Amino acid sequence: RKEVEQDPGPFNVPEGATVAFNCTYSNSASQSFFWYRQDCRKEPKLLMSVYSSGNEDGRFTAQLNRASQYISLLIRDSKLSDSATYLCVVNKAGNQFYFGTGTSLTVIP
Amino acid sequence: GAVVSQHPSRVICKSGTSVKIECRSLDFQATTMFWYRQFPKQSLMLMATSNEGSKATYEQGVEKDKFLINHASLTLSTLTVTSAHPEDSSFYICSARSGTGGAYSNQPQHFGDGTRLSIL
Repeated sequence: RKEVEQDPGPFNVPEGATVAFNCTYSNSASQSFFWYRQDCRKEPKLLMSVYSSGNEDGRFTAQLNRASQYISLLIRDSKLSDSATYLCVVNKAGNQFYFGTGTSLTVIP
Repeated sequence: GAVVSQHPSRVICKSGTSVKIECRSLDFQATTMFWYRQFPKQSLMLMATSNEGSKATYEQGVEKDKFLINHASLTLSTLTVTSAHPEDSSFYICSARSGTGGAYSNQPQHFGDGTRLSIL
C-alpha cells in the first residue's frame, strides 16, 4: 500500500465552483501534513500546512481527520488561476516525507 | 520569507560534461536539504537528503558517485551530475527545511525553482 494516495483526477470545474480533494495516508503516526500546488514545468509551492483543528486561508480550507487518516483541501469560488496540480505531502517522522501523485485541477471559463 | 534559490534554471550541454547545480536558502538556515528529480507528468522522485556538514543519504537506486551532493553550509547545497548522459536529462529540484527542536516536525519543505537539464 502506498504511503500517500490521491485521486489523480483530472478535475475540470467551471469558474466559481467549489471543489474538494482528499488524500489518504497509511501511517497513523504521521506528524505533519501539507498541501502544495505545482504548475506545469514549475516547482511545487507550499499552499498551506494542515493543522489538527483545520485551517483556512482565504478561499482555501484544509482539514485533517486523524481517525480516518485523510486530509482534505477545499477550494471555494474557483478561479482560472487555481488550475494546477495539487500535491498532498505527509511528514512521517524526521525527514521522511511522502508525496501524493498529485490531483490535476483545471478551472474552465 | 522561506525563499530558496536554485541556479542555473536551465542547462543544455554535451554528453560527458559534469554539471553543478546550486541550491541556496536566502532568508533562513536550512537544517536539511533535499534533492529531487521529476520526469514529465510524473511525481517528484527523492534522490537524496543532506544535512549540513554530513554526508548525504541517497535513496535506493541513486548512484552516489554519479550524483555528488555537498552541503557545506546551512545555506548552500550543491548537486553535481558527473559525466552526464542523455538519460540524465530531467527536471532537478532542491528543497530546504529549517527549524530545530520541537517545532521541527511542523516545518514544511520550501522548493527552489528547479533546474531543467538537457544532455545532448
